[in-house]
Amino acid sequence: DIQMTQSPSTLSASVGDRVTITCRASQNIRSWLAWYQLKPGKAPKLLLFKASSLDDEVPSRFSGSGSGTEFTLTISSLQPDDFATYFCQQYSGFPCSFGQGTTLELK
Amino acid sequence: QVQLQESGPGLVDPSQTLSLTCTVSGGSMLSGDHYWTWIRHHPDKGLEWIGYIKASGSAYYNPSLRSRVTLSADPSKSQFSLNVHSVTAADTAIYYCARDGAFCTGDCQEDAFDIWGQGSLVTVTS
Repeated sequence: DIQMTQSPSTLSASVGDRVTITCRASQNIRSWLAWYQLKPGKAPKLLLFKASSLDDEVPSRFSGSGSGTEFTLTISSLQPDDFATYFCQQYSGFPCSFGQGTTLELK
Repeated sequence: QVQLQESGPGLVDPSQTLSLTCTVSGGSMLSGDHYWTWIRHHPDKGLEWIGYIKASGSAYYNPSLRSRVTLSADPSKSQFSLNVHSVTAADTAIYYCARDGAFCTGDCQEDAFDIWGQGSLVTVTS
């Protein structure tokens, strides 16, 4: 199985900050990577697919990059609504697998 | 717009069967060739893909859970269901149903998920 490792596990930041979350795959997944935002009691939200493609209605302050084994999610200017937990997911191999999550908290 | 909603008991006794149903609204399970999926989120851990089923009834399971999981689908009721047998405390999690977004357009074996339910917390306890 392909292992996904996210860092950091927790990130403290302020509104307006630029933040980056990293996701590493245990083997080459090309660009078959998605990013999700999770909030308690809400349906998880797909942010990006194919490493850098923004899903519908996702604000442009979210961006993704990378290919192969190393990927990043960047939020260019944090908004109050962005404090949540973020997960990466590889869908290159079977079974698909997720990172352990990064909790973005208010500093 | 398609929406998903999980339903089922919030408490399950150890060694019993956990049963959840996902109801699809705003569209038909027979539209497109989608994978109707179950994913769970363990406390303090990551997300785990459980398996998915197509409207035709073909099901695919995570090998780590295959021996204890059964998926079924009833497109006429716009529902698909999950059964996890012989549960233990390790099965305590938030269970989500989801639908793939058909983002796999090349040499990928799975897909990303663009529609999710709000999740159903299931606690295994006596």
